[in-house]
Amino acid sequence: GESVGLHLPTLSVQEGDNSIINCAYSNSASDYFIWYKQESGKGPQFIIDIRSNMDKRQGQRVTVLLNKTVKHLSLQIAATQPGDSAVYFCAENPPPSNTGKLIFGQGTTLQVKP
Amino acid sequence: DGGITQSPKYLFRKEGQNVTLSCEQNLNHDAMYWYRQDPGQGLRLIYYSQIVNDFQKGDIAEGYSVSREKKESFPLTVTSAQKNPTAFYLCASWDRTNEKLFFGSGTQLSVL
Repeated sequence: GESVGLHLPTLSVQEGDNSIINCAYSNSASDYFIWYKQESGKGPQFIIDIRSNMDKRQGQRVTVLLNKTVKHLSLQIAATQPGDSAVYFCAENPPPSNTGKLIFGQGTTLQVKP
Repeated sequence: DGGITQSPKYLFRKEGQNVTLSCEQNLNHDAMYWYRQDPGQGLRLIYYSQIVNDFQKGDIAEGYSVSREKKESFPLTVTSAQKNPTAFYLCASWDRTNEKLFFGSGTQLSVL
């Protein structure tokens, strides 16, 4: 249950498989990137972030990869669980930095099949 | 949803009516934001405020108004000029120290 390449609005994976959610960002000068998880009827919650001087960052069961050459960001979720079902958004922080005026991607809905 | 409270959770608007969505934060953040989210879409910025008594239009400000009289509060009014107000509205505040955006739990606005 992996998906690589272009952004997909919906990704369906089997429980226990790894998931890869992709995102293309717009501003080559953006220096900070964040992934958010949004469950139905709730506000987005922070998952993991990465700065532009890094190309990989790992958290608990999640990894974010940054490819500045092609302006691409990905979120990898290991051993996907039913509780991971949600919409996932990437966000970039373009200059001027530290204003909080983030630019959000369209989001990918992750469906986990038991 | 951290220290950001949005109310009400659900709101219904009659045609020609103005309605106000509440957003309160106790995180001591200077900057606050309002986003609109349509089904299957990303977040679009309506208005934002970097400091008390100051606010700026976002990408889709037409038909909306805001005020920022207190640091803790950033209410959004959806006016009768907004012809398609049905959406999920999210308020957020920005932690400048840690560079993180915190969201409230949202208000679903529907038209009767």
